[in-house]
Amino acid sequence: EAQVTQNPRYLITVTGKKLTVTCSQNMNHEYMSWYRQDPGLGLRQIYYSMNVEVTDKGDVPEGYKVSRKEKRNFPLILESPSPNQTSLYFCASALTPGRAYEQYFGPGTRLTVT
Amino acid sequence: DAKTTQPTSMDCAEGRAANLPCNHSTISGNEYVYWYRQIHSQGPQYIIHGLKNNETNEMASLIITEDRKSSTLILPHATLRDTAVYYCIVRPRDNYGQNFVFGPGTRLSVLP
Repeated sequence: EAQVTQNPRYLITVTGKKLTVTCSQNMNHEYMSWYRQDPGLGLRQIYYSMNVEVTDKGDVPEGYKVSRKEKRNFPLILESPSPNQTSLYFCASALTPGRAYEQYFGPGTRLTVT
Repeated sequence: DAKTTQPTSMDCAEGRAANLPCNHSTISGNEYVYWYRQIHSQGPQYIIHGLKNNETNEMASLIITEDRKSSTLILPHATLRDTAVYYCIVRPRDNYGQNFVFGPGTRLSVLP
């Protein structure tokens, strides 16, 4: 089944403890992206990647890192999480950057930072 | 700066057409109109997009005004499963450097 998977789905952590949220897609998609969703703010893009080893900042990249060493994986790294990073996170992928309008989204990761 | 304006919420009776409006008065000539929806706490789902002509697919129809300053997403026979938040986004299709910006959207409630 073609899908985007994220792990973990739920995570409660403490301020300053480094964490990684994994994202994997099995559709051989070139384009991948991370979003966060907060009440009243809609989805905001954190980082995106147009292909392996090519990443760029979205609207809210501060406090996050990403890497794209393999085509299928696009992990989101929080080096020193803070409470304002408590949010619902979505990973997405698209066949090519030119078809980024037709993104397939993962199920989401709900992160709480205390 | 918001590029689109949508009503906060709308109701629709099951089986009726749901018409969701979107204003994008500052749309540029190379920008497309995209629609997504998000069913509660799931990832968003692409619905349809268009430039200036009306578009239809298996999910919905998109009507864009002649001046392109507004558009309407039409779900012809709404079902309870169409209850979701609907997002209207304007963006150049091939501008890889421009981010997708999802605003607050319209919360559509389909009522039995």
